[in-house]
Amino acid sequence: NAGVTQTPKFQVLKTGQSMTLQCAQDMNHNSMYWYRQDPGMGLRLIYYSASEGTTDKGEVPNGYNVSRLNKREFSLRLESAAPSQTSVYFCASSLWGGLLTNYGYTFGSGTRLTVV
Amino acid sequence: GENVEQHPSTLSVQEGDSAVIKCTYSDSASNYFPWYKQELGKGPQLIIDIRSNVGEKKDQRIAVTLNKTAKHFSLHITETQPEDSAVYFCAASIKRSAGGTSYGKLTFGQGTILTVHP
Repeated sequence: NAGVTQTPKFQVLKTGQSMTLQCAQDMNHNSMYWYRQDPGMGLRLIYYSASEGTTDKGEVPNGYNVSRLNKREFSLRLESAAPSQTSVYFCASSLWGGLLTNYGYTFGSGTRLTVV
Repeated sequence: GENVEQHPSTLSVQEGDSAVIKCTYSDSASNYFPWYKQELGKGPQLIIDIRSNVGEKKDQRIAVTLNKTAKHFSLHITETQPEDSAVYFCAASIKRSAGGTSYGKLTFGQGTILTVHP
């Protein structure tokens, strides 16, 4: 049981380049999330997907797009990378539903992105 | 939207002492409050959580308390050990529904760097 898998683990981009961060979970969770982590600012929500087929903006969506490819996979795309997007990116998933009690997130191990 | 404030930003204790981290939240509708531990180079890991219908929860050396009236919650670690050294995050969430599906969005505090000295 791998949990949440993120690829790649490290990436260096030049300003203006594009790339896609991949995330997959094998826990049959319905909700998936992308956060960025910057020093002193905690984790900030970029985009989320409450369920397969839906995506919504979080706190800091500018410069990013997402795709919920299926229930397992949720990708984050940077169309034209900027130095301000240098950060550590975390994907997470959770199971919420109906009469079930709330569940916390399961996080991936992160992607460390540097834009030069 | 929800805003979560966490204090202190750094905390240094001697092994065996207790450590307390405090968080406040702004949205009185928040009903789920997890705590995460993040070790260097890893993703955050859930260590304990509390729901709004409970005032206190304990799991071995860690405990969480919730004061809904004051909108604050705290993490207590007793008999600290060097392996407790990490970054700790609090978070708050409201359970929502959309299209027949329930989900929640966690808003995180800024984090506390805990160092336990042997």
